[in-house]
Amino acid sequence: QSALTQPRSVSGSPGQSVTISCTGTSSDVGNYNYVSWYRQHPGGAPKLMIYEVSKRPSGVPDRFSGSKSGNTASLTISGLQAEDEADYSCCSYAGSYTPYVFGTGTKVTVL
Amino acid sequence: QLQLQESGPGLVKPSETLSLTCTVSGDSISSSNYYWGWIRQPPGKGLEWIGSIHYSGSTHYNSSLKGRAVISVDTSKNQFSLRLTSVTAADTAVYYCARPDSGTYLGAAFDFWGQGTKVTASS
Repeated sequence: QSALTQPRSVSGSPGQSVTISCTGTSSDVGNYNYVSWYRQHPGGAPKLMIYEVSKRPSGVPDRFSGSKSGNTASLTISGLQAEDEADYSCCSYAGSYTPYVFGTGTKVTVL
Repeated sequence: QLQLQESGPGLVKPSETLSLTCTVSGDSISSSNYYWGWIRQPPGKGLEWIGSIHYSGSTHYNSSLKGRAVISVDTSKNQFSLRLTSVTAADTAVYYCARPDSGTYLGAAFDFWGQGTKVTASS
């Protein structure tokens, strides 16, 4: 099972919106609505931002939204803030033998 | 509030066995219907799921590890552990333990994470 493909980096100015893509296959992203997104600051542990494609855990701002189309999932950050500068990773269910497949990771830079 | 804390040696020699423990506070593994997981992150690389365990003892592993990983649970200590045999430099990583909160199914996203522990495989 290969890692999901994400762009290496995306950037935006404060207040703007950025979208991170997460491309898989019909065996993972395309077949299940179990895509999640994590934010990770340097030296820190991952923090869950989105689960089951578009649901936000308690405490996550509604600036963060998730969606999916075909084999590609997306995370959109609206109203970009300095604290959003971090690495973001997607994750998808790929069946009972491979319940977690992570993405390659994307560095978000706030200009 | 649930808290997880990884512990174990920071240095392991190649061909030897890596052993880590995750101590849980704020929840009882023995009465929790969640799948507790181990995830690692090599330097400069992405996250990789290692495996998960249910309090019943049911375990699931990443097939890419070719049977080298074993996860066990000690309900009396409220801990679960990871053993990874025949380590190589490729096993050098930060190792995290984690637990979902959004679902009790295998594959549920991980809401709670430990701070991570760095393990280096080197002679």
